[in-house]
Amino acid sequence: EVQLQQSGAELVRPGTSVKLSCKVSGDTITAYYMHFVKQRPGQGLEWIGRIDPEDDSTKYAEKFKNKATLTADTSSNTAYLKLSSLTSEDTATYFCTVITMMVPPFAYWGQGTLVTVSS
Amino acid sequence: DIQMTQSPASLSASLGETVTIECRASEDIYSNLAWYQQKPGNSPQLLIYDANSLADGVPSRFSGSGSGTQYSLKINSLQSEDVASYFCQQYNNYPYTFGAGTKLELK
Repeated sequence: EVQLQQSGAELVRPGTSVKLSCKVSGDTITAYYMHFVKQRPGQGLEWIGRIDPEDDSTKYAEKFKNKATLTADTSSNTAYLKLSSLTSEDTATYFCTVITMMVPPFAYWGQGTLVTVSS
Repeated sequence: DIQMTQSPASLSASLGETVTIECRASEDIYSNLAWYQQKPGNSPQLLIYDANSLADGVPSRFSGSGSGTQYSLKINSLQSEDVASYFCQQYNNYPYTFGAGTKLELK
């Protein structure tokens, strides 16, 4: 069974950037579309975008196009989410999840990374 | 973008009761719909995919139905461990959008 291990919590200053990771274990990352989801404290879920590590093609929700950048490193089986020009609105937990042909969509989720933007 | 309208926003029910949560899509999503359960501090857990398929390990008291633009999640014989938030998500078109969520509490 595949497992998704996300990087640890981040406390970052407004205006800076942060890069979060999501490591796939138990399978090769190229078998999956890697998706990222945002959840602000006490709020609902927002789909940010996805990357296909096979060809690095990406899709983003419009509101995240100038905020988020998705990349993947097949050698380390890891996907990354970079968030730029951080504001308090970016304070949230960020989850990674996957789609693959072999299992139901979004059956596997990472544990989430809490990003706190504060001066 | 496809808008997902989920109702109710909150729900209070008694143990053993049957509850239903609904999601309406702003256009046909061809049953490309998932339901998740999320408890505080945890990641979302997939309950239902393709509108009516039960995910592995999910109790059979959970069921999904619907087609076109109208979908529902039913929980039969509510248990205390079902207290959680529930979200629907369409994955027919990018961007994949979520409903606003339903917070289920015990009466």
